[in-house]
Amino acid sequence: AQSVAQPEDQVNVAEGNPLTVKCTYSVSGNPYLFWYVQYPNRGLQFLLKYITGDNLVKGSYGFEAEFNKSQTSFHLKKPSALVSDSALYFCAVRQGYSSASKIIFGSGTRLSIRP
Amino acid sequence: EPEVTQTPSHQVTQMGQEVILRCVPISNHLYFYWYRQILGQKVEFLVSFYNNEISEKSEIFDDQFSVERPDGSNFTLKIRSTKLEDSAMYFCASSPQSGSFRGQFFGPGTRLTVL
Repeated sequence: AQSVAQPEDQVNVAEGNPLTVKCTYSVSGNPYLFWYVQYPNRGLQFLLKYITGDNLVKGSYGFEAEFNKSQTSFHLKKPSALVSDSALYFCAVRQGYSSASKIIFGSGTRLSIRP
Repeated sequence: EPEVTQTPSHQVTQMGQEVILRCVPISNHLYFYWYRQILGQKVEFLVSFYNNEISEKSEIFDDQFSVERPDGSNFTLKIRSTKLEDSAMYFCASSPQSGSFRGQFFGPGTRLTVL
């Protein structure tokens, strides 16, 4: 069965420092990996995805993620954190190319950026 | 950018009552989904819907749940007889076509509170 793990409930970073939010996955076949962000009282917003190709994918708001097949990881990164990046971040995996396939979410990591 | 909308934003109901959560997916999208997030827990897939029928459903989506696309714009989730454990945030999502590279577009959610 496919699954996603986010080992950290919370990540605290000072503004201007680099940030990493960790994610590992387990899926048979080719993974389709996503990061979503949830701001308070808002829905889930798409940040970026990995389908195939370059292992380093760039997304919205300066975020990027590195796909590592050997470590089955898809960590979210940003070179310089902003206070406005504070939110709940979800890693997710979709098994299969079809949009009918469900998305499996991780438990979420709360990112807190201090000024 | 077009958005998925959901109404109401918050629904309070008594145990045993029926509720209908409403969603308006993005207009040219073909695939529709419901997810839920119990407070403090991960986002869980409930059901996917395509071509006027259910494509996939999770074990959570039992006989108490049903989905419908009554017209060209709305997508509804009905819970026939609510239980306390149905209290959660319910997210609707839509996707434009098979193999969408943007993943799914999520609405802001409806918070359901069952008393």
